[in-house]
Amino acid sequence: GESVGLHLPTLSVQEGDNSIINCAYSNSASDYFIWYKQESGKGPQFIIDIRSNMDKRQGQRVTVLLNKTVKHLSLQIAATQPGDSAVYFCAENIGLSGGYNKLIFGAGTRLAVHP
Amino acid sequence: DTGVSQNPRHKITKRGQNVTFRCDPISEHNRLYWYRQTLGQGPEFLTYFQNEAQLEKSRLLSDRFSAERPKGSFSTLEIQRTEQGDSAMYLCASSVPGLDLGEQFFGPGTRLTVL
Repeated sequence: GESVGLHLPTLSVQEGDNSIINCAYSNSASDYFIWYKQESGKGPQFIIDIRSNMDKRQGQRVTVLLNKTVKHLSLQIAATQPGDSAVYFCAENIGLSGGYNKLIFGAGTRLAVHP
Repeated sequence: DTGVSQNPRHKITKRGQNVTFRCDPISEHNRLYWYRQTLGQGPEFLTYFQNEAQLEKSRLLSDRFSAERPKGSFSTLEIQRTEQGDSAMYLCASSVPGLDLGEQFFGPGTRLTVL
């Protein structure tokens, strides 16, 4: 069946270090993945996405890596800042008939940044 | 604020009561989604609207749940005869079709507590 999961529920890092958040997915037919950040009391916020025809995509201080062979996704945050503290979700985009889509989320990883 | 808005932000009700939540999507976003999120978990898809048409419903959406989007703009989610298991954050998201495979913009959510 479809499932998206995360390897670590909590990640603690020092301010200024790089962070790596991992995610595994099971649907080999998935062709689009998104990372969301959710701060306390707020809805998920889009960070970066990647299509299955790519293995790497970079944004501002963030990089997403996709390994289709082992169905693994990772989010790298460079020079982690206190404002990066949040729960991070990877989501698998499922295309539905009619051309629209729904997101299948994993359980999330909490990132705690310490000064 | 031109983002997705949801009202109320918090709702406390007694078991057996009916509750209704409202979502106002981003203007001109014709796609609207409802998700449910329980503590420590990622959001779970409930239902999807394209304009005023409800095109997809999850099996999570029992007969006590009903969603509408009568004019293709705002949407309401009603839960009848609430149960303690309905306690969760209810998230609304909107998107437009396009090259980005429909990135979804989330609102802040309505937190429901059923006593």
